[in-house]
Amino acid sequence: QVHLQESGPGLVKPSETLSLTCTVSNYSITNTYYWAWIRQSPEKGLEWIVSFYHGGNTYYSPSFKSRVTISVDTSKNQFSLNLSSVTAADTAIYYCVRWRQPPNYFDPWGQGTLVTVSS
Amino acid sequence: DIVMTQSPLSLPVTPGEPASISCRSSQSLLHSNGYSYLDWYLQKPGQSPQLLIYLGSTRASGVPDRFSGSGSGTEFTLKISSVEAEDVGVYYCMEALRTPYTFGQGTKLEIK
Repeated sequence: QVHLQESGPGLVKPSETLSLTCTVSNYSITNTYYWAWIRQSPEKGLEWIVSFYHGGNTYYSPSFKSRVTISVDTSKNQFSLNLSSVTAADTAIYYCVRWRQPPNYFDPWGQGTLVTVSS
Repeated sequence: DIVMTQSPLSLPVTPGEPASISCRSSQSLLHSNGYSYLDWYLQKPGQSPQLLIYLGSTRASGVPDRFSGSGSGTEFTLKISSVEAEDVGVYYCMEALRTPYTFGQGTKLEIK
């Protein structure tokens, strides 16, 4: 059964870069699925950030495109999210998720990691 | 962006009774292949969201058959035929037709 686990700092200072890693177990990220980051905050609810296919296309939400970078480490079966120039509005629970396309759904989800932006 | 609107936002239900949640999209989610690209997710307390329904009406693996999805175009409904205590949580609809994928505000189901 596929398992996703987020990791990274729980506290980031304003204007700095938020960096999170997703470790995938029991499934190679180079296989035929997309992978994604979604976040959840009380103010904005669930927000899709980015989806990518290893060796293929990357799709960004316009709300994040200018600040997001995705990287992949196939040797560790991990992918990472970098979100630059963070503000308090970026405080949220960040989830890494597998995206199946078609028929277009997010499953499974990681447990999520809370990132707080504060000085 | 497609705007997803759910109702009600709060849904108290007696165990054994049915429940229904509506979801409306600001644009049609009907693909040329005849499928409507609408997903339903449930976020149980303290957990991450989990997939319930995709393509408007297809139950995900392991989802009990008391859950059903219906609708097409811009109007969708999630029904629970007989609510159980384990069904508490927040239900979200999500448009899966085009990016940026967007979610509804969520409907909180609680047991009376």
